[in-house]
Amino acid sequence: QKEVEQDPGPLSVPEGAIVSLNCTYSNSAFQYFMWYRQYSRKGPELLMYTYSSGNKEDGRFTAQVDKSSKYISLFIRDSQPSDSATYLCAPQGAQKLVFGQGTRLTINP
Amino acid sequence: DTGVSQDPRHKITKRGQNVTFRCDPISEHNRLYWYRQTLGQGPEFLTYFQNEAQLEKSRLLSDRFSAERPKGSFSTLEIQRTEQGDSAMYLCASSLRGGRQLTDTQYFGPGTRLTVL
Repeated sequence: QKEVEQDPGPLSVPEGAIVSLNCTYSNSAFQYFMWYRQYSRKGPELLMYTYSSGNKEDGRFTAQVDKSSKYISLFIRDSQPSDSATYLCAPQGAQKLVFGQGTRLTINP
Repeated sequence: DTGVSQDPRHKITKRGQNVTFRCDPISEHNRLYWYRQTLGQGPEFLTYFQNEAQLEKSRLLSDRFSAERPKGSFSTLEIQRTEQGDSAMYLCASSLRGGRQLTDTQYFGPGTRLTVL
């Protein structure tokens, strides 16, 4: 079993929809939880991160962590075609990031 | 553009050849990381440096792989006797860790795409 599991999709939704992206993890030592966005043939770009359990909002993006169930979520409101990318959850273990497989998201105009 | 640069961006080589990649981190960053990403997967940690010291290496880093950060600035990743299974995107990230920070944000470069024929 992988330390971080993420549904690879692909996920395709119409413009303006609310998108929910999710990961589960097994290592209870994780304290920081990152979300990266990666466009095709580019390096990952940090979207936002949360510490421990709770919610964090940044514009149209909301990150949620539930440490009791080891569940991580990213919500995108009012999705735009420019949000089309692969989204990677990445809990931080000690110094390194442990990435999920990534969910490929397409927002259709 | 995060400020982390990698060179070359693409490398095609024949099996058995040696290759070397370079990463230039954001200038004030003291930590530098290498990850490998294969198609359809998330990046996997290979190794990291704090200044010039290599502090952790993954089991993925076989003895054909070596990384250096000689003056605590740029880093090189060398793969000797390349195999087809080494074909992947090699990503470099850097961060600034110090003081009372409990974590450090890693900024990624654009990656070097290696194809081994």
